[in-house]
Amino acid sequence: RKEVEQDPGPFNVPEGATVAFNCTYSNSASQSFFWYRQDCRKEPKLLMSVYSSGNEDGRFTAQLNRASQYISLLIRDSKLSDSATYLCVVNPVGANNLFFGTGTRLTVIP
Amino acid sequence: GAGVSQSPRYKVAKRGQDVALRCDPISGHVSLFWYQQALGQGPEFLTYFQNEAQLDKSGLPSDRFFAERPEGSVSTLKIQRTQQEDSAVYLCASSFFMGPSNSYNEQFFGPGTRLTVL
Repeated sequence: RKEVEQDPGPFNVPEGATVAFNCTYSNSASQSFFWYRQDCRKEPKLLMSVYSSGNEDGRFTAQLNRASQYISLLIRDSKLSDSATYLCVVNPVGANNLFFGTGTRLTVIP
Repeated sequence: GAGVSQSPRYKVAKRGQDVALRCDPISGHVSLFWYQQALGQGPEFLTYFQNEAQLDKSGLPSDRFFAERPEGSVSTLKIQRTQQEDSAVYLCASSFFMGPSNSYNEQFFGPGTRLTVL
C-alpha cells in the first residue's frame, strides 16, 4: 500500500468553478502535511501546509482529518493559471524525506 | 537569490552507460535530497544527506545507484549500467535543516534532470 493515495484525475473544470481534491495517507504517525503544485515539466513547489485546524490562503483552503487520515484541498473561483498537477505530500514523524501522492491533474477551461 | 540548480537538464544514455547527475543546493542549506519522478507519478525518495553525511539511502532502487556529497555542498547522483527503467526525472531538493528531526523545514526543488535511457 502506498504511503499517500490520491485520485490522479484529470479534473477539467470551467473558469470560476470550485474544485476539491482529496487524499489519504497510511502512516498514522505522520506529522506534517502539504500540498505542492507542479506545472508541466517544472519542479514541485510548496503551495501550502495543512494544519489540523484547517487553513486558508486566498482562494485555497486545506483541511486535515487525522482520525480518518484524510487531507483535502479546495480551490474556489478557479483561474486558468490554476491548471497544474497538485501533489498531496506527507512527512512522517522521524523522517526527513517527503512522501508524495501520484498527483491530481487540474485543467481549468475558459 | 539563486535556487537549487541541476545539470544537465536533459541526458540521453544508451543502455549500459554510466551517468552522473549534479545538484547545486541553495547556499547554506544543510539538508539535500534526491527524488526520482517517473512519468505520471509523484516524486519518490532516493536518498538524504545532512552536510556530507548520507543519513538515509533506503530509497535507492539498486546498487547501481550511488550518491555523494563530499564537501557538504554539491551532490552527485551516479547511475551505473543504466537500464530503460531508470528513465525518469531526477529531482534534487535542499532545505535549511537545523534541529530535531521532528521539525520540518521547507524543501526547495531544483528543475530536475530528465534522463532517457534508450
